[in-house]
Amino acid sequence: NAGVTQTPKFRVLKTGQSMTLLCAQDMNHEYMYWYRQDPGMGLRLIHYSVGEGTTAKGEVPDGYNVSRLKKQNFLLGLESAAPSQTSVYFCATGSGDTQYFGPGTRLTVL
Amino acid sequence: GQQLNQSPQSMFIQEGEDVSMNCTSSSIFNTWLWYKQDPGEGPVLLIALYKAGELTSNGRLTAQFGITRKDSFLNISASIPSDVGIYFCAGQKRAGNNRKLIWGLGTSLAVNP
Repeated sequence: NAGVTQTPKFRVLKTGQSMTLLCAQDMNHEYMYWYRQDPGMGLRLIHYSVGEGTTAKGEVPDGYNVSRLKKQNFLLGLESAAPSQTSVYFCATGSGDTQYFGPGTRLTVL
Repeated sequence: GQQLNQSPQSMFIQEGEDVSMNCTSSSIFNTWLWYKQDPGEGPVLLIALYKAGELTSNGRLTAQFGITRKDSFLNISASIPSDVGIYFCAGQKRAGNNRKLIWGLGTSLAVNP
């Protein structure tokens, strides 16, 4: 039972490159979330999903896209990376009032 | 976006001391959560509170759901070095399918052995 896993753990991109972050969960949770964490800013919600095939915008969605084709996976895409997207990205899942987090992906955009 | 007011922002204490931190909001919440984040890791859920006035313990940690439903408190007794980390509070209003959390900015705890 791995819980919530994220791949990759680290990535360095050049400005304008694209990439996809993968979140996988084996907890059978309906809700999945993508956050970014920056120093002094706390956790900010990028996008979330209330079930397979659904997505919704969070607090800071610009520059990101998401897909939830399977219940257990939630993908976060950066189509054209910018230095402002340098951050630590966390995926979380939940079935109700609580959320459980993955270990994070540290992304640097040069 | 909305954020919770979490204080203090940081604490530096001696091993064995007790610690208190709190979160306040101008809005009412139905759920209060407390998380701890170790360096390089994701936040880990410590305590979940679901009812106004509720007092819940997890080992040396005790958290309370304020009776006004606008605040919550976390206490750590007899701190040890492994308590070092960032503690986050989060609240949820639970409207329909909305399961988004509102987060505090965290309390950074350092423990001097």
